[in-house]
Amino acid sequence: EADIYQTPRYLVIGTGKKITLECSQTMGHDKMYWYQQDPGMELHLIHYSYGVNSTEKGDLSSESTVSRIRTEHFPLTLESARPSHTSQYLCASSETAATDTQYFGPGTRLTVL
Amino acid sequence: SQQGEEDPQALSIQEGENATMNCSYKTSINNLQWYRQNSGRGLVHLILIRSNEREKHSGRLRVTLDTSKKSSSLLITASRAADTASYFCATANSGAGSYQLTFGKGTKLSVIP
Repeated sequence: EADIYQTPRYLVIGTGKKITLECSQTMGHDKMYWYQQDPGMELHLIHYSYGVNSTEKGDLSSESTVSRIRTEHFPLTLESARPSHTSQYLCASSETAATDTQYFGPGTRLTVL
Repeated sequence: SQQGEEDPQALSIQEGENATMNCSYKTSINNLQWYRQNSGRGLVHLILIRSNEREKHSGRLRVTLDTSKKSSSLLITASRAADTASYFCATANSGAGSYQLTFGKGTKLSVIP
């Protein structure tokens, strides 16, 4: 099991709410990622970070934002949640390049009513 | 954009049988990785094979890579009920897009006790 944690595991909220999905890792990895995955589908990269104060958008356009103030912490925020944001959100990290082994957290399943 | 594509989409076998899953991709790669995802959980890294390697083993797992056909296969020998999961291939592309892994839609494996 990788030392990467996500909270909450499940979240059901109403439209318009602001939410933050937490992701922390204790491996000291510089590189961290957020993926979005719909049931039975592939993962899509929505954000990544190569280190403190570094954040970039991934291939899949997302209304969420991220921050990287500390190496171990990479939270994702939705200012105003909508039903279209309903999905599973997976956080991952890697020690070296993004193209090497990635370690995943257990995911947060978000449902917006 | 999707790079790896797994085949079959779903596979059901009896415990003790071997399971073979295939992955095809479109562009040149640096490496190809296989991950396992149990229902509702994060991904777990299984094996990484580099573009200059043809075959790799890890326990009951055997991965092959044919860069001329742009394809890879994952063989799980003597399957167990605990192997029931979705299996994803992920490609690390060379050149453009090489900052990320690109995941396929996965093969859903069911091992019947």
